[in-house]
Amino acid sequence: NAGVTQTPKFQVLKTGQSMTLQCAQDMNHEYMSWYRQDPGMGLRLIHYSVGAGITDQGEVPNGYNVSRSTTEDFPLRLLSAAPSQTSVYFCASSYSSIFTDTQYFGPGTRLTVL
Amino acid sequence: AQKITQTQPGMFVQEKEAVTLDCTYDTSDQSYGLFWYKQPSSGEMIFLIYQGSYDEQNATEGRYSLNFQKARKSANLVISASQLGDSAMYFCAMREWPMDTGRRALTFGSGTRLQVQP
Repeated sequence: NAGVTQTPKFQVLKTGQSMTLQCAQDMNHEYMSWYRQDPGMGLRLIHYSVGAGITDQGEVPNGYNVSRSTTEDFPLRLLSAAPSQTSVYFCASSYSSIFTDTQYFGPGTRLTVL
Repeated sequence: AQKITQTQPGMFVQEKEAVTLDCTYDTSDQSYGLFWYKQPSSGEMIFLIYQGSYDEQNATEGRYSLNFQKARKSANLVISASQLGDSAMYFCAMREWPMDTGRRALTFGSGTRLQVQP
């Protein structure tokens, strides 16, 4: 299993540009989410999905869109990039059992908005 | 109010010694889970250990153990026999399980940077 994969690893955008961060998982997890990590801080939830066709907002959703057409993929779209969106973005997925609910993270995408 | 508090921004430990990283949490839910993740300088988030709120035994995973004190709302990570490769940021996180949504998001603390010295 590849686990959770993210592309690209690095990206530089100009203010106002749009782009899509890709996330895929091959573990058949129903739950997927996007977090951002700003310097010196923990991760904050942007959007999440409890299954194909179902998405919802997290703590910091403004400026981002998501969709979930398949179980495997959960792309994050930046509509009009702003310097405040400079961050490291992590995608995570999980299954849930009564014993644990561990979220597995992708390697991250480091985004810089100029 | 912060849901997860990690009061130690940085810690030093000598190689082969044990170290405790502190974490306190705040929740009114009866059902929740507590996690520790390691983030080395390469940036990935590595799952270390999990403790469920109903688990009576403290969780252990190899050299990692979680000192869970429910009444004090603390979930400290203990690393025994520290190794140079343990140098990293360590994040405590909590998952609450709200009944009205399917959200399984983790709420993270601000992290503790551990440096293991030879």
